[in-house]
Amino acid sequence: DTGVSQNPRHKITKRGQNVTFRCDPISEHNRLYWYRQTLGQGPEFLTYFQNEAQLEKSRLLSDRFSAERPKGSFSTLEIQRTEQGDSAMYLCASSLDRGEGYTFGSGTRLTVV
Amino acid sequence: QKEVEQDPGPLSVPEGAIVSLNCTYSNSAFQYFMWYRQYSRKGPELLMYTYSSGNKEDGRFTAQVDKSSKYISLFIRDSQPSDSATYLCAMRKGFQKLVFGTGTRLLVSP
Repeated sequence: DTGVSQNPRHKITKRGQNVTFRCDPISEHNRLYWYRQTLGQGPEFLTYFQNEAQLEKSRLLSDRFSAERPKGSFSTLEIQRTEQGDSAMYLCASSLDRGEGYTFGSGTRLTVV
Repeated sequence: QKEVEQDPGPLSVPEGAIVSLNCTYSNSAFQYFMWYRQYSRKGPELLMYTYSSGNKEDGRFTAQVDKSSKYISLFIRDSQPSDSATYLCAMRKGFQKLVFGTGTRLLVSP
């Protein structure tokens, strides 16, 4: 297992378009997290899953954002009607139930033009 | 006020120096404390993990947690140019979400 994989690495989209990101966690990790990071800031929590159940969503996750984790394996994060303010690095991380820390992927950098 | 405060830097030091990075926090319920290193355009990489108060050492890195003062530190001995990165502190209560500081940018010059 090579760690947490995120695709695509970089996405440029026009304002108003929908985008979808994928995260493949470490296979034995049952917890999966999505974070967003803007320039000069630390990662901000968006949502997390334990297996296929979405257990918590941040207020940052507006109605335009939706995340899924079918069958408790990979996860997708979709942003509808993108806005310029959505431009950021979207990070996925995974952990065991009682893991010491999260393992992060390399992120998907979204640029909305 | 943010739950976790961290000086954004940049912090510039010469190679071989001892580096001290710090965070303060306001939520006394935080129990698990972590330091991540993040290179430009990469995801954060876990460096150190500490539960509750105390010290932990791993090679050139030492993490300290003082829960009474709500203050955590990361020390890097014999700093190298390859240590140049952004260092993020992070903490959580139980097994809830991690809360991050803004990160401190470290520059180690040869």
